[in-house]
Amino acid sequence: GIQVEQSPPDLILQEGANSTLRCNFSDSVNNLQWFHQNPWGQLINLFYIPSGTKQNGRLSATTVATERYSLLYISSSQTTDSGVYFCASVPTGQNFVFGPGTRLSVLP
Amino acid sequence: DTAVSQTPKYLVTQMGNDKSIKCEQNLGHDTMYWYKQDSKKFLKIMFSYNNKELIINETVPNRFSPKSPDKAHLNLHINSLELGDSAVYFCASSQVRGWYGYTFGSGTRLTVV
Repeated sequence: GIQVEQSPPDLILQEGANSTLRCNFSDSVNNLQWFHQNPWGQLINLFYIPSGTKQNGRLSATTVATERYSLLYISSSQTTDSGVYFCASVPTGQNFVFGPGTRLSVLP
Repeated sequence: DTAVSQTPKYLVTQMGNDKSIKCEQNLGHDTMYWYKQDSKKFLKIMFSYNNKELIINETVPNRFSPKSPDKAHLNLHINSLELGDSAVYFCASSQVRGWYGYTFGSGTRLTVV
């Protein structure tokens, strides 16, 4: 089955810093989404981004489907950005496969 | 007004017991899911249920069974609980299987002692 990898596994930032999270997937997909799990465990859908670039406030995401990767950019990070960021892809005709996540800690 | 709600939030039970976790969504979505998140935060799909079509992850033990009384509900029933079943279980829903609008419930932390 499809493999989804994320890097880095852990990231510590000072408040105000920028960061880039990467997601690689091993096969063609027809859906790619980014999720944030906050420190209280709630999973929030950030982006539905099978291709191209989208922006939502300080967050933006880019997926290059032909090269099988997606990037999540966080600018001017805040302590509320802490948590685990997951990318998840959907191989044709199947359900979501989640990556292992990037654990982000933003320090005040 | 919670979009996907799960109950209970916490569940502590003894090995061998049978338990259920309830999930309800008020988004009008036609597909619902159950996920298991282990202690390392790894998320793995267990079931998806769409208009009476059940797709089961083949690694899920048959002690786990989803039950859907209607499109807005997908409950998870677990028989003969084992220590390894301890995890956080998430319900989710979406409009079309795997697509835009994916929404998770707040999770149920199951501890088997």
